Amino acid sequence: GAGVSQSPSNKVTEKGKDVELRCDPISGHTALYWYRQSLGQGLEFLIYFQGNSAPDKSGLPSDRFSAERTGGSVSTLTIQRTQQEDSAVYLCASSGSYRGRSYEQYFGPGTRLTVT
Amino acid sequence: AQKITQTQPGMFVQEKEAVTLDCTYDTSDPSYGLFWYKQPSSGEMIFLIYQGSYDQQNATEGRYSLNFQKARKSANLVISASQLGDSAMYFCAMREARDSSYKLIFGSGTRLLVRP
Repeated sequence: GAGVSQSPSNKVTEKGKDVELRCDPISGHTALYWYRQSLGQGLEFLIYFQGNSAPDKSGLPSDRFSAERTGGSVSTLTIQRTQQEDSAVYLCASSGSYRGRSYEQYFGPGTRLTVT
Repeated sequence: AQKITQTQPGMFVQEKEAVTLDCTYDTSDPSYGLFWYKQPSSGEMIFLIYQGSYDQQNATEGRYSLNFQKARKSANLVISASQLGDSAMYFCAMREARDSSYKLIFGSGTRLLVRP
């Protein structure tokens, strides 16, 4: 079946512009996560959705970052007034009972964001 | 304090030999899970193996095994019979049961290079 998909795969934007990153989780997965991976680093948690609500936003680095999820499915991560330090790969993951493994997180291919 | 520590930024191994990638963790939660993910140069995160804190036996998945030493808080990944395709970044991660979001906390990773 289809895995987690993300779009765009690459995004180059000018400093100060807003960007939207999209995540399509595995069908039926109720939990959705956004992570950020800066160059050569591990993954850093940003936000967690259960259904359409976000009970854990503790990883969002500033109020320029926001995310929403609609219909318990697609999620959009929005970064306003982008800064060069926002350049990173943004990874989305979803989890649920899938192939018999509960709570295992399945990752999308990521969106590489470059702020010039 | 770092919750997940991977002390080997880079490792070399000869093809067909075994290699151990180190991971230590820090938590006061008695219930937790430990994960290893592989990230090839293409960027996707591939789940390899999972160990629960109450699991009595070390986890194994094909050529991957997890050397879980609970008292020492270590969860080293052992790859047997290395293949050229094993060259990648490897991340250790932890999930704490008391964290209702079940978000993953990642280490900084180890880059493995398999020599022919």
